[in-house]
Amino acid sequence: AQSVAQPEDQVNVAEGNPLTVKCTYSVSGNPYLFWYVQYPNRGLQFLLKYITGDNLVKGSYGFEAEFNKSQTSFHLKKPSALVSDSALYFCAVSLTGGGNKLTFGTGTQLKVEL
Amino acid sequence: SAVISQKPSRDICQRGTSLTIQCQVDSQVTMMFWYRQQPGQSLTLIATANQGSEATYESGFVIDKFPISRPNLTFSTLTVSNMSPEDSSIYLCSVDRQGAGEQFFGPGTRLTVL
Repeated sequence: AQSVAQPEDQVNVAEGNPLTVKCTYSVSGNPYLFWYVQYPNRGLQFLLKYITGDNLVKGSYGFEAEFNKSQTSFHLKKPSALVSDSALYFCAVSLTGGGNKLTFGTGTQLKVEL
Repeated sequence: SAVISQKPSRDICQRGTSLTIQCQVDSQVTMMFWYRQQPGQSLTLIATANQGSEATYESGFVIDKFPISRPNLTFSTLTVSNMSPEDSSIYLCSVDRQGAGEQFFGPGTRLTVL
């Protein structure tokens, strides 16, 4: 079985400040980890993924995420938040990737204020 | 990425009726997925649809309620049968086009059942 936890329903941050959206996972094997973003009334957009290799992965719109195997975490980060980053963020995990099903976290609403 | 379209984009239906949602991809893909996103909730996988074989349903979802067709490598349909207000959700299709793990999502179909 695989599961994802996003402990924060909402994260508030001031524009220009760094942001972190937390994600922890549980899988019985090597995880493939993903972050998606959902803007209001729009579909889900892929941000970044970790498959193997460097623990720090960079994605779209200046976002990055750090894979930490010992803490089973994959937190999403951005050095300087923008108001336009305000959206719903989902962490997801699959066991082997390449067409296997994704299990999503409950989502974290990010609100960036001026 | 992949260009994915869904029809209809939204619908309001009466209890007891059925709705068929279409998903069209701009290129051939082996696996397509159908998800449900209930109001304020995360995404839950309904089933995986492979061309030429029966769809594989996740726990809690059955073929009689959510029949799926996959007639070719670019198209799939999901039917929501005998609808009740609890079926009010956003239904999304996705594809794993490159076999690299990340899935690309259609814009979703927002279903309201009265």
